Amino acid sequence: EVQLVESGGGLVKPGGSLRLSCAASGFTFSSNAMAWVRQAPGKGLEWVSSIGTSSLYRFYADSVKGRFTISRDNAKDSLYLQMNSLTADDTAVYYCARGPPQYSDYDQLFDFWGQGTLVTVSS
Amino acid sequence: EILLTQSPGTLSLSPGERATLSCRASQSVRSSYLAWYQQKVGQAPRLLVFGASSRASGIPDRFSGSGSGTDFILTISGLEPEDFAVYYCQQYGSSPGTFGQGTKVEIK
Repeated sequence: EVQLVESGGGLVKPGGSLRLSCAASGFTFSSNAMAWVRQAPGKGLEWVSSIGTSSLYRFYADSVKGRFTISRDNAKDSLYLQMNSLTADDTAVYYCARGPPQYSDYDQLFDFWGQGTLVTVSS
Repeated sequence: EILLTQSPGTLSLSPGERATLSCRASQSVRSSYLAWYQQKVGQAPRLLVFGASSRASGIPDRFSGSGSGTDFILTISGLEPEDFAVYYCQQYGSSPGTFGQGTKVEIK
């Protein structure tokens, strides 16, 4: 059974930093792209960042480019999101999501999602 | 960036009725790479349909997707109590993948 478990969310002050983690199990982690998708309170879904199977490619939404860094450790079956220079607009539930297998014609279809971790940016 | 517009915003129906949800793209979606997700309150989204019309694993056949180009439809042929939720379409043919704003299916 595929499982994605996020951690690392919490309350942080504007301008602060936070590192999210996602522990994956139930599939061959190194075979799939991975992504972070967020959802502000009461709002819709917003793709944040994706990473390829060997970390050769990393893509970011314009809203987080230069502030967030996605990474993965295939030996630990883990995905990470380093978030710096946080603002109130970054307040959201952050979901870890599984992307397609390597060599897919697309990279942002998400077939499994974690339960999410809440990030609140407030003074 | 492709903009997706979902309609209606809210659909009020009774159990057993048919639900028809629309998703319109601002430009043609490459290879009909259009997905639908279901999200219940307090839960993560769940993939229902990909490639416009292919059901994801374990999804009941009362859920069906159709469409191509810029116009897509998700049909729920007979609403079950567990189907009342918010539904999002997403295009993943062009980067960034974008989501619609959602359609809430509520009990009438």
